[in-house]
Amino acid sequence: DTGVSQDPRHKITKRGQNVTFRCDPISEHNRLYWYRQTLGQGPEFLTYFQNEAQLEKSRLLSDRFSAERPKGSFSTLEIQRTEQGDSAMYLCASSSWGTGSSYEQYFGPGTRLTVT
Amino acid sequence: GEDVEQSLFLSVREGDSSVINCTYTDSSSTYLYWYKQEPGAGLQLLTYIFSNMDMKQDQRLTVLLNKKDKHLSLRIADTQTGDSAIYFCAESGNNRLAFGKGNQVVVIP
Repeated sequence: DTGVSQDPRHKITKRGQNVTFRCDPISEHNRLYWYRQTLGQGPEFLTYFQNEAQLEKSRLLSDRFSAERPKGSFSTLEIQRTEQGDSAMYLCASSSWGTGSSYEQYFGPGTRLTVT
Repeated sequence: GEDVEQSLFLSVREGDSSVINCTYTDSSSTYLYWYKQEPGAGLQLLTYIFSNMDMKQDQRLTVLLNKKDKHLSLRIADTQTGDSAIYFCAESGNNRLAFGKGNQVVVIP
C-alpha cells in the first residue's frame, strides 16, 4: 500500500481563480477526511465522507468550497473564486471505519495552496 | 467544544528524554493521538490511547493520560536527531480530529 496521495503538491493561483485538489486514500479505506492547516497552527477539520456520502461539513467550509467523492474512492476539493485567506496546506486523511483500525487516520503529504 | 492546548517549543540533547504536554477540554473524547510533522510533510500517526487507559508504551514512546485533569503527555526516550519535528496532540469523539497548535521539538546533537 502506498499510503494517501494528494495532487498537486503545490499550487499557486491568482485571487479569483478556481482550484481543484485531488486525494487518493489508502485502498479500501471507506472514510476520507479533508483538513486545512495554516502556518503555525494545527490542522482544522473541513469535511469527511463515508464511502460516497458526505456526512459532516465544518462551518469553515464556506459556499465557495465543495468536496466530492463520487465513487467512494478518490475525492476532490474545489475552491471557487479563491481569496488570499484560502492560502494554506490542505490535508487529506483516510481511515477504515468498522474495523479494528477504525480510529486510525492516516494523512497524505498535503497540497500547499498559495493565492497571490 | 473541542479545544486542545500545547506548549510551543522544546529543545533537547540527543540521547536525553523529551516530554511534550497537551491539555484538552472535550471530556467525551474517545481517543487521544500524537502525530509528528516534519517540514513540508503531512502528519505521521505516532500513537494513540483509548480514553479508558492511563498509559501506553510503544518502543521509545510512552503516552500518559490523566483523564481527571484532561492532560496528555508524550515521552520520547533516547531522543534522536530524526525526532526533530512538530508534534501535535489531537482528540476525537465524533469522527473528526481536533488538533492542538503543536509543539516544536529540536534535538541538539
